Amino acid sequence: AQSVSQHNHHVILSEAASLELGCNYSYGGTVNLFWYVQYPGQHLQLLLKYFSGDPLVKGIKGFEAEFIKSKFSFNLRKPSVQWSDTAEYFCAVNAPLGSYIPTFGRGTSLIVHP
Amino acid sequence: DTAVSQTPKYLVTQMGNDKSIKCEQNLGHDTMYWYKQDSKKFLKIMFSYNNKELIINETVPNRFSPKSPDKAHLNLHINSLELGDSAVYFCASSPQGLNTDTQYFGPGTRLTVL
Repeated sequence: AQSVSQHNHHVILSEAASLELGCNYSYGGTVNLFWYVQYPGQHLQLLLKYFSGDPLVKGIKGFEAEFIKSKFSFNLRKPSVQWSDTAEYFCAVNAPLGSYIPTFGRGTSLIVHP
Repeated sequence: DTAVSQTPKYLVTQMGNDKSIKCEQNLGHDTMYWYKQDSKKFLKIMFSYNNKELIINETVPNRFSPKSPDKAHLNLHINSLELGDSAVYFCASSPQGLNTDTQYFGPGTRLTVL
């Protein structure tokens, strides 16, 4: 079975600090990887996704993530966070196990102080 | 226009009761999902329907019964509610149920069982 680990459960930063949120998955085959974000009071929405090609993926609002197959990782980064980035961030993996079952990490709560 | 909507947003009920949560998507997607998010923020898939046909049914008590009257609707009925059913339930949809699909989430229904 596939699983997703997000090791940082709570992150607190000041504005302009750099951000890196870890995501590791356990599945040896081809995977599709996603980062979703949930801003306070809003729906989960897609931040970015990877399924082939350039392992460095750029998403909305200046976020990017790098797929490193050898490390089974898909870490999310942003060089300079803003107060409006305060949100919950979820990493997700879809593996083609027949009818694929999307698996989410437990989420990372990011608080950015102005 | 709301893409994926759920009703109600909050549901407080007594143990042993039966309740339903409704979900509708106006995106024209073929696939819809129900997820449960527990108190530790783990987001776990419960069910998935593709064109009204059940394709994913994870280890969920049979007190939970999804119903899809058409591909735009996926309702969740829960019988004999238990304390452990307290959680946030998210409905989602995706275009075709492919493992590269982005998922579009509803706002969630916070269920509290007393």
